[in-house]
Amino acid sequence: QVQLVESGGGLVQPGRSLRLSCVASGFSFSRYAVHWVRQAPGKGLEWVSVISSDDRTKYYADSVKGRFTISRDNSKSTLYLQMNSLRVDDTAVYYCARDLDIGASKWGQGTPVTVSS
Amino acid sequence: QVVLTQSPSASASLGASVKLTCTLSSGHTNSAIAWLQQQPEKGPRHLMKVNGDGSHRRGDGIPDRFSGSSSGAERYLTISSLRSEDEADYYCQTWGTGIRDIVFGGGTKLTVL
Repeated sequence: QVQLVESGGGLVQPGRSLRLSCVASGFSFSRYAVHWVRQAPGKGLEWVSVISSDDRTKYYADSVKGRFTISRDNSKSTLYLQMNSLRVDDTAVYYCARDLDIGASKWGQGTPVTVSS
Repeated sequence: QVVLTQSPSASASLGASVKLTCTLSSGHTNSAIAWLQQQPEKGPRHLMKVNGDGSHRRGDGIPDRFSGSSSGAERYLTISSLRSEDEADYYCQTWGTGIRDIVFGGGTKLTVL
């Protein structure tokens, strides 16, 4: 079955960096665009970024543009999110997800990121 | 860009039915949406896609207690025979052309009394 497993979250100071990973299994990862979505404590879902299946196209939310970089390694069925210049308001659970653009999404369980001094 | 509007909260009794609403902003009233369920301390789970004509398709393993419909700019999620495990946050979500323009509604917190 389709599985998405995020990791790499943790406690980090403002201004520092963190890299999240999402390992996919149960499907042909290289055929799908994959997204990052986050959820701040007690808040709703916020789309963060997407990368196309062929790695050619990447989009970002305005709130993270210029600070976050999405990438993928299809040989490892892994999605990444490099987060630089982290701010307190980046504190959230970060989810990877597939098929948000066709209304049949699959989600991971999320990895929590806390930005605090 | 499309805006999805949901009521912040809803409640219904165990065994009863409840209908949640997601309203599409002007100019997007024909768009399809997806309903997501997020139980406490869990990741979101896809429930179904609801089209502008009211047809819907449930995700894998989603029981038929969950159904979708639409009227104009409104998209509905009806849950019948409510169980305690249905107490969760419910989000609607839509998308544009291509892989970007992913939009979420603010979510409805459902309390099962």
